[in-house]
Amino acid sequence: NAGVTQTPKFQVLKTGQSMTLQCAQDMNHEYMSWYRQDPGMGLRLIHYSVGAGITDQGEVPNGYNVSRSTTEDFPLRLLSAAPSQTSVYFCASRTLGTTNYGYTFGSGTRLTVV
Amino acid sequence: QKEVEQDPGPLSVPEGAIVSLNCTYSNSAFQYFMWYRQYSRKGPELLMYTYSSGNKEDGRFTAQVDKSSKYISLFIRDSQPSDSATYLCAMTNYPSGGSNYKLTFGKGTLLTVNP
Repeated sequence: NAGVTQTPKFQVLKTGQSMTLQCAQDMNHEYMSWYRQDPGMGLRLIHYSVGAGITDQGEVPNGYNVSRSTTEDFPLRLLSAAPSQTSVYFCASRTLGTTNYGYTFGSGTRLTVV
Repeated sequence: QKEVEQDPGPLSVPEGAIVSLNCTYSNSAFQYFMWYRQYSRKGPELLMYTYSSGNKEDGRFTAQVDKSSKYISLFIRDSQPSDSATYLCAMTNYPSGGSNYKLTFGKGTLLTVNP
C-alpha cells in the first residue's frame, strides 16, 4: 500500500500565483484533511472531508479551496498565494466507523511563497 | 487557555534514559488520546492511542491518561538514538453521530537521544 501520497514535495511560488497540492490515498478512507505546520504553531486544520462531495472548513481556511469528487483524492487549491502561506502542508486520512481515531499522514509538501 | 498544551522542549537525554513526555488539556469532552512521532522532514506517524483513562504499553512505550487531571504522558524506556524526533500529542471527542472528527494537536516536543 502506498498510503497517503502528496505531490509535489517542494514548491516555490510567486505572490499571486495559484496552484494545487495533490493528495491521494489508497486505503478507502472516508475522512481526509489538510493541515499546515508552522514553527511554534503546530498543526492547524485547513479543510476536511468526510466523503465524496462533502467538505468543511477547519480553523484556517482562508485562501484555500478544496473539493472531493472521489474517495481517493482531496486536492488543496491556493487561489492567490501569499507569503503567509509559506508552510509545510500535510494531508491526512482515516477510516470512519471504528474506534481507531489515528490518522495516516502523507510526507508533506514544503511550500515557499516569495 | 489553549485546548492542548505541550512543552516544546527541546529535550536532550543520554541513550538508555527513561523519557517522559506530557500534555495537558482543558476540554473535558476529549475521550481519545494519541501520540504521534515525527522525524525531521517527514509526516507524523501514529505511535499509540488510548481511550479514556488508564495505561497502554507497546514495547518500550507506555501511554498514560489521567482524565481527572486532564493530563497525558508518554514514557519511553531504554531510549535509543532512533527515538530522536518530535513527539506530538493529539486528542478528540467521541463523535456521537456528529461530524466532529477533528483531532486537536499539541505543538510537539523535540527529543534528542544522544549516543
